[in-house]
Amino acid sequence: DTGVSQDPRHKITKRGQNVTFRCDPISEHNRLYWYRQTLGQGPEFLTYFQNEAQLEKSRLLSDRFSAERPKGSFSTLEIQRTEQGDSAMYLCASSLALRGGGRQAQYFGPGTRLLVL
Amino acid sequence: DQQVKQNSPSLSVQEGRISILNCDYTNSMFDYFLWYKKYPAEGPTFLISISSIKDKNEDGRFTVFLNKSAKHLSLHIVPSQPGDSAVYFCAASGFSGTYKYIFGTGTRLKVLA
Repeated sequence: DTGVSQDPRHKITKRGQNVTFRCDPISEHNRLYWYRQTLGQGPEFLTYFQNEAQLEKSRLLSDRFSAERPKGSFSTLEIQRTEQGDSAMYLCASSLALRGGGRQAQYFGPGTRLLVL
Repeated sequence: DQQVKQNSPSLSVQEGRISILNCDYTNSMFDYFLWYKKYPAEGPTFLISISSIKDKNEDGRFTVFLNKSAKHLSLHIVPSQPGDSAVYFCAASGFSGTYKYIFGTGTRLKVLA
C-alpha cells in the first residue's frame, strides 16, 4: 500500500513529557500537511511543507510544537511539555503540486491519537 | 469564526434512497471544495472535489453541486448503501498562496438497511 502512513497510531503520555510523531507521505507528493482533530470538530490546519520548506504555520501551533521535513520526504511533529489540551488526533496529509497551479486533493493518513494524562 | 458550516450533525436515510449532505461557506475567496468520508479511528478519505469554475461534478454514485451565489455546496449519494454510513466533512480552500483546507464540523450519515 502506498498511501500516507503515520507512526505511532496511538500514544499515551503524561503531562509535561515530549512526544514525536512521524508521517510518511505518498512517495511522489511534494506537499505535506499536519492537521489536528478533536472530538466533534473537523480537522484544523497546523502547518504545511512544500518539499523541505515549511511555508505556513497556524496560530494553533504554539512554540511547544515544531515540525520538520528534513529531506522533503517524511515529516516529524514534536510536541514539547505536553498539556492535557494537546489530546487529539494528529493527521498528516500529502498532495502533489500540479504544473500551472492546478489543484489536487490532499490524501490523509490514519492519524496518531494522542492522550495526555 | 466558522468559515465552513455543516448545520446538520446527523442524517438517517433508507438504503437505496438519496442522501443529501449540505455545506455552507462564508469566504468568497474559496475556490476549491472537497468532500471527505471518515470512519472511526481512521483518517478522512477523499471522495470528490469541485472547482469554482464548475457547478457540478459527478463520480459514480457521488455528485457534488456548487451554488456560488448562495455559497452553498451539497453532496448527493445515489443510491445510498449501508457502507456509506460514516461522518462526512466538507472542506474548502482558497487560492491565496496557501493550500490549507478549512473543514466543516461534519455530518454523521446513517444508512438504514
